[in-house]
Amino acid sequence: GEDVEQSLFLSVREGDSSVINCTYTDSSSTYLYWYKQEPGAGLQLLTYIFSNMDMKQDQRLTVLLNKKDKHLSLRIADTQTGDSAIYFCAEDNQGGKLIFGQGTELSVKP
Amino acid sequence: GAVVSQHPSWVICKSGTSVKIECRSLDFQATTMFWYRQFPKQSLMLMATSNEGSKATYEQGVEKDKFLINHASLTLSTLTVTSAHPEDSSFYICSASSRQANTEAFFGQGTRLTVV
Repeated sequence: GEDVEQSLFLSVREGDSSVINCTYTDSSSTYLYWYKQEPGAGLQLLTYIFSNMDMKQDQRLTVLLNKKDKHLSLRIADTQTGDSAIYFCAEDNQGGKLIFGQGTELSVKP
Repeated sequence: GAVVSQHPSWVICKSGTSVKIECRSLDFQATTMFWYRQFPKQSLMLMATSNEGSKATYEQGVEKDKFLINHASLTLSTLTVTSAHPEDSSFYICSASSRQANTEAFFGQGTRLTVV
């Protein structure tokens, strides 16, 4: 079945770059997403990438997709304390039905 | 992006009562809505998929008689937790998508349910 895996924790210093990795199993996924969740809040869509792309950049965020290895990454440049949150990757292969990873808790130290 | 509104944001109810959560797409017609559940410090698990005008499709292990889903219009889906128990306490999030527009899914802000 479908499965999405992420590492659980990442700690970086303010100003450094953060790289959050994700692997997925369903090669028919059409969209791959990154969401941010702050404590007690809902999901905020950060960015997404179509499966026929290998890179997407949006201000401080860079998404890399290696479709052959089914590997997705999110790079946050110049990480700030406000970036501390849980980041979920998700794959969509059925018109909106998402399979989520476990979430990576990003801790940014001043 | 499109706006999906979920109501209420939080609710506390007594064991044995029923609670209804609404999910509305404010600026587009949602042919499909999804309901997810999130336990503390865990990922989101899909509970069910609802298509407007038809019965919801529940994921394995989700009791359809306990979690009643109605998607009577293109802008509203409701989740009713019937005879709630403390173990139903969780964060429930809906998302909505439009098949015609081939859009990604947009999420509501979530509802935190506490059953006491």
